Amino acid sequence: QVQLVESGGGVVQPGRSLRLSCAASGFTFSSYGMHWVRQAPGKGLEWVAVIAYDGSNKNYADSVKGRFTISRDNSKNTLYLQMNSLRAEDTAVYYCAKDAIAVRPGWFDPWGQGTLVTVSS
Amino acid sequence: DIQMTQSPSTLSASVGDRVTITCRASQSISRWLAWYQQKSGKAPNLLIYDASSLESGVPSRFSGSGSGTEFTLTISSLQPDDFATYYCQQYHIYPPYTFGQGTKLEIK
Repeated sequence: QVQLVESGGGVVQPGRSLRLSCAASGFTFSSYGMHWVRQAPGKGLEWVAVIAYDGSNKNYADSVKGRFTISRDNSKNTLYLQMNSLRAEDTAVYYCAKDAIAVRPGWFDPWGQGTLVTVSS
Repeated sequence: DIQMTQSPSTLSASVGDRVTITCRASQSISRWLAWYQQKSGKAPNLLIYDASSLESGVPSRFSGSGSGTEFTLTISSLQPDDFATYYCQQYHIYPPYTFGQGTKLEIK
């Protein structure tokens, strides 16, 4: 079955960097756009970034633009999020999610279980 | 950016009740809206896409309707497993993809 497993979260000091990974299985990874969505403690969902199926197009939320970089390695079925210049307000559970339909970006299904990033001194 | 506003923020109901959650968009999004259910400590789970299409495997007591700027998620007869937080998400104009702030469905 389709599975997304995030890793790489942890506690990091403000201003430092962290790289998240999302290992995909159970589907043709190279055919789907992929997203990162985050959720601060006790808060709602915030879309962070998207990357096209072939990595040719990337887009970011204004809140992370210039600090975060989304990438993918289709040979390894893995999605990444490089997070630089981290701030306290980046503290959240980070989910990776798949475009539900390859030819029609829009809604997300499924989502990974999430990985917690805590930015604190 | 398109803003999504859900109401109510919190809803108290009993098993067997019929409940409706509303999601309003700041501009028309046609029918490009999804609904997700999130249980505490878990990832969101897709319920509805294209405003009214039920995702495979989702119980038929869940239904969605609406178009333009106003949408509803209805649960026809609440079951104990349905107490969770629900989010709407638009995908008409992106990026950014935007979510409503969530509606927490509590047991009365």
